[in-house]
Amino acid sequence: DAGITQSPRHKVTETGTPVTLRCHQTENHRYMYWYRQDPGHGLRLIHYSYGVKDTDKGEVSDGYSVSRSKTEDFLLTLESATSSQTSVYFCAIKSPARETQYFGPGTRLLVL
Amino acid sequence: AQKITQTQPGMFVQEKEAVTLDCTYDTSDQSYGLFWYKQPSSGEMIFLIYQGSYDEQNATEGRYSLNFQKARKSANLVISASQLGDSAMYFCAMREGPRRRGYQKVTFGTGTKLQVIP
Repeated sequence: DAGITQSPRHKVTETGTPVTLRCHQTENHRYMYWYRQDPGHGLRLIHYSYGVKDTDKGEVSDGYSVSRSKTEDFLLTLESATSSQTSVYFCAIKSPARETQYFGPGTRLLVL
Repeated sequence: AQKITQTQPGMFVQEKEAVTLDCTYDTSDQSYGLFWYKQPSSGEMIFLIYQGSYDEQNATEGRYSLNFQKARKSANLVISASQLGDSAMYFCAMREGPRRRGYQKVTFGTGTKLQVIP
């Protein structure tokens, strides 16, 4: 199994509060991704990173920001959480040598 | 148009029987790849199998095989000898399009829920 952890695993927060989710990898992979999973939508890409301090937007990036100051950590921040951001968030990593993304265990976020 | 279509929202299979989960895709690219992931009730996404568009042989990984029919744009997952632990959601996904800073878009289907009956 790929060494990927996410924290927290569960979080309940209130509308308007900032939230930061952390993804940590021990594989030293260059590429990291944040997805959200919602019923009827499968997984959708929020942001991705192609190296330290190099990030780009995915298809549902509005309301989210990311940072990657170290190879092993990729942070997802909801600056001001909204109820529409209630979802399950997955981090994934990928090696340049392979096509497959490997996923972390997910974070369940509930915004009240 | 949907890029990935999984037409079976739910399926049942008897333990020890084989089952096929359908996936059709839509792309105009010549180079693309297809994946299957398993998501058990615990929630994690587990990679099962990958098929590249130029791979001549169907991919196999243990009890999993991918029935790749390029002309029909289908990439069905076949699970042989089903086990109770195979009960889960299964997602088909496709990577395609231009590579931008090492990223190639991956699109997921909406999944098929498989239940294995003892």
